[in-house]
Amino acid sequence: EVQLVESGGGLVQPGGSLRLSCAASGFTFSSYAMSWVRQAPGKGLEWVSAISGSGGSTYYADSVKGRFTISRDNSKNTLYLQMNSLRAEDTAVYYCAKSWFDYYYMDVWGKGTTVTVSS
Amino acid sequence: DIQMTQSPSTLSASVGDRVTITCRASQSISSWLAWYQQKPGKAPKLLIYKASSLESGVPSRFSGSGSGTEFTLTISSLQPDDFATYYCQQYNSYWITFGQGTRLEIK
Repeated sequence: EVQLVESGGGLVQPGGSLRLSCAASGFTFSSYAMSWVRQAPGKGLEWVSAISGSGGSTYYADSVKGRFTISRDNSKNTLYLQMNSLRAEDTAVYYCAKSWFDYYYMDVWGKGTTVTVSS
Repeated sequence: DIQMTQSPSTLSASVGDRVTITCRASQSISSWLAWYQQKPGKAPKLLIYKASSLESGVPSRFSGSGSGTEFTLTISSLQPDDFATYYCQQYNSYWITFGQGTRLEIK
């Protein structure tokens, strides 16, 4: 069964850092691009970042560029999102999502992990 | 960035109705469009990719059409399980964007 499980969310103060992880199973992880998508409370979906299967190409939304870093460890079947200089507006449920090879639509989603930025 | 605009924002309908949701792109995205369904407290679920390809396991009452800048998601006969929020997403560009969502509610 294809599965994605996020972890690492929590409460952090403004200006702080957090690293999210997404453990993948049930598919050849290195063959597929991956993305992070977030959803603020009561709001719509917002794409955050994406990474190619090899990890050689990365893409970021303007709202997080320079503060967030996406990476992957294909030997551990794990996707990461390092989040620095966190702001209140980064408060959201963060979803990890698998793409279909290098076509960046998302065919499998994790259940999400909640990040709350507040003092 | 490519902007995606959905209409309507909210749609009231009854079981058995045929409903259509529209998604417009700010520039041509060919057929690089996906549709998702999301229920409260749950992750989104892929329904349609490449504008009109039905994801495996999705009921055939869901269909997608369009190309270029205008796209539609149609549910041919609404079922109780279909009341949810629907999002379109373009992947013509690596800088992915979603529509703002359409909430489908019971009339």
